[in-house]
Amino acid sequence: DAGVTQSPTHLIKTRGQQVTLRCSPKSGHDTVSWYQQALGQGPQFIFQYYEEEERQRGNFPDRFSGHQFPNYSSELNVNALLLGDSALYLCASSSGTLRHYGYTFGSGTRLTVV
Amino acid sequence: GQQVMQIPQYQHVQEGEDFTTYCNSSTTLSNIQWYKQRPGGHPVFLIQLVKSGEVKKQKRLTFQFGEAKKNSSLHITATQTTDVGTYFCAGQGSNDYKLSFGAGTTVTVRA
Repeated sequence: DAGVTQSPTHLIKTRGQQVTLRCSPKSGHDTVSWYQQALGQGPQFIFQYYEEEERQRGNFPDRFSGHQFPNYSSELNVNALLLGDSALYLCASSSGTLRHYGYTFGSGTRLTVV
Repeated sequence: GQQVMQIPQYQHVQEGEDFTTYCNSSTTLSNIQWYKQRPGGHPVFLIQLVKSGEVKKQKRLTFQFGEAKKNSSLHITATQTTDVGTYFCAGQGSNDYKLSFGAGTTVTVRA
């Protein structure tokens, strides 16, 4: 049990469509980070949410947006999907006030854009 | 921006042998973390190093943080088939909230 819940586990979308991925953090965690992991690559940082605000953003276009809710859960939205957006999307939770603790990752959402 | 590089990309090891994977950052880090991802799985946190020159051990795994806090290594002794997977280092800069991952070292074990 990862402690972080992501849904859905798999998704197939058509180019140009929009998608929403969801994440519930581990109990006691208040910070959610989203990563994109292409096959055979390391996770690439998309953004991090803390106190319902985007605290830091990686090098991803504005098509990628997110939200954090008062219960610390989070959503990742991707608009105008491209074939290159096909990847494993990982949500990681952590404690925002304790920077020296590791992230807990969810099992991910496998997105395929056709 | 901050970049984290790992070598080697692949490590093929005979069961029982030792190996080391290395991680280098383009900037000084606040801390470095190591994760393991099994095939088809998600990254699992192994350890975090914070202090310059810090060395930590977990059974057969030894983690080291360089004196300049720009490099790190993971040494595994007496490799077992359970060690199969991809090992990622991930660094956090002093002014960063984000964790930047390397490309990983994928380990396969020959029985």
